[in-house]
Amino acid sequence: DTGVSQDPRHKITKRGQNVTFRCDPISEHNRLYWYRQTLGQGPEFLTYFQNEAQLEKSRLLSDRFSAERPKGSFSTLEIQRTEQGDSAMYLCALRRGGPGNTIYFGEGSWLTVV
Amino acid sequence: QQQVKQSPQSLIVQKGGISIINCAYENTAFDYFPWYQQFPGKGPALLIAIRPDVSEKKEGRFTISFNKSAKQFSLHIMDSQPGDSATYFCAASMQNDYKLSFGAGTTVTVRA
Repeated sequence: DTGVSQDPRHKITKRGQNVTFRCDPISEHNRLYWYRQTLGQGPEFLTYFQNEAQLEKSRLLSDRFSAERPKGSFSTLEIQRTEQGDSAMYLCALRRGGPGNTIYFGEGSWLTVV
Repeated sequence: QQQVKQSPQSLIVQKGGISIINCAYENTAFDYFPWYQQFPGKGPALLIAIRPDVSEKKEGRFTISFNKSAKQFSLHIMDSQPGDSATYFCAASMQNDYKLSFGAGTTVTVRA
């Protein structure tokens, strides 16, 4: 159990539609990250939050993408006017402090744009 | 520009053998180096991580070797088992943001 729940696990949508993914940490974490992974590649950083503040956005995050973390707990990633190139797995990750102080990923949300 | 380069792209090893995966990085500000294991359809799972104040870290059958001067680190999987068949990713980040840069991955196949 990584302590990260993502929903939905799979989403098929038509090009041009909007989609939203949700990430729910099981316990409180101040740092929350979004990554994107395409087939055969490593995950790529998209954005991250410190509590409710969005600290950084990658150039990969075009203006069609928006992420929020309204109360510093769960987070949403919305993609507007989806394109076929958006087909990927969207991963949420949390930073855990303590001796490990490392990054744990959720199971991801698969997006297929047809 | 890929900040972490990983090799080989794939490897096949016999059960009981040793799998070795290598990574190199450019950014000397990186000070946190984790390895992740990923099975098809699943998110990456943290295997083991190292910080540059040590040259080697071992956890069970998994060992990370770290060479700061060469800017290289590697993962050794000892006594490889069929259950180790997966894709392995190296990554690097700075400890002030933990914004991970990943390698392209290595698909390991362990033959029984």
